[in-house]
Amino acid sequence: DIQLTQSPSSLSASVGDRVTITCRASQDISNYLAWFQQKPGEAPKSLIYAASSLQGGVPPKFTGSGSGTDFTLTISSLQPEDFATYYCQQYKDYPITFGQGTRLEIK
Amino acid sequence: QVQLVQSGAEVKKPGASVRVSCKASGYTFQTYIINWLRQAPGQGLEWMGWMDPDTGYTDFAQKFQGRVTMTRDTSIGTAHMELRNLKSEDTAVYYCTRVLVLAAAGQKHDTFDVWGHGTMVTVSS
Repeated sequence: DIQLTQSPSSLSASVGDRVTITCRASQDISNYLAWFQQKPGEAPKSLIYAASSLQGGVPPKFTGSGSGTDFTLTISSLQPEDFATYYCQQYKDYPITFGQGTRLEIK
Repeated sequence: QVQLVQSGAEVKKPGASVRVSCKASGYTFQTYIINWLRQAPGQGLEWMGWMDPDTGYTDFAQKFQGRVTMTRDTSIGTAHMELRNLKSEDTAVYYCTRVLVLAAAGQKHDTFDVWGHGTMVTVSS
């Protein structure tokens, strides 16, 4: 199975900040990587697919980059509604796997 | 609007089975593959498998092989996931999600664009 390792596991930031989360795959997954946002008590929400393409309706403050084994999600101009847990997901091979999550907390 | 509405919370004893339903609305049910995932309390997301609602074809994560069944009723646009021989470690929120295939740089990408609200399954003696 392909392992995804996210860092950091948790992150504190202030409203208005820009933050970056990284996701490293245990083998080359090309650009078959997605990012999700999950708020407490809610289902995950798709943000990015193909490593850098925005899902419909997602604001461009979310940007993804990377290819191969190293990927990043950058969130600019943090707003209160952005504080949540973020997961990366690979869908290059089955089983589909997820990173362990990055909890973004308000400072 | 496109929605996946899941069945309500369940409490089961170890060794029992549970069936979770996922009713689609706002789109043609047979057109989009359904995946099932789960999330144990305070933990991350775990993929269980997928089903093609058109053909009924399924594929499961090896961890769940022999213990999970995914079926559908196309007459009512509903997918079902049954997990058998439940253990306490199966306590989790179970999600269904639809796959929307999108193109990027000439490739096809399977995106989980719409999710059900989740069904809490508690396994306890």
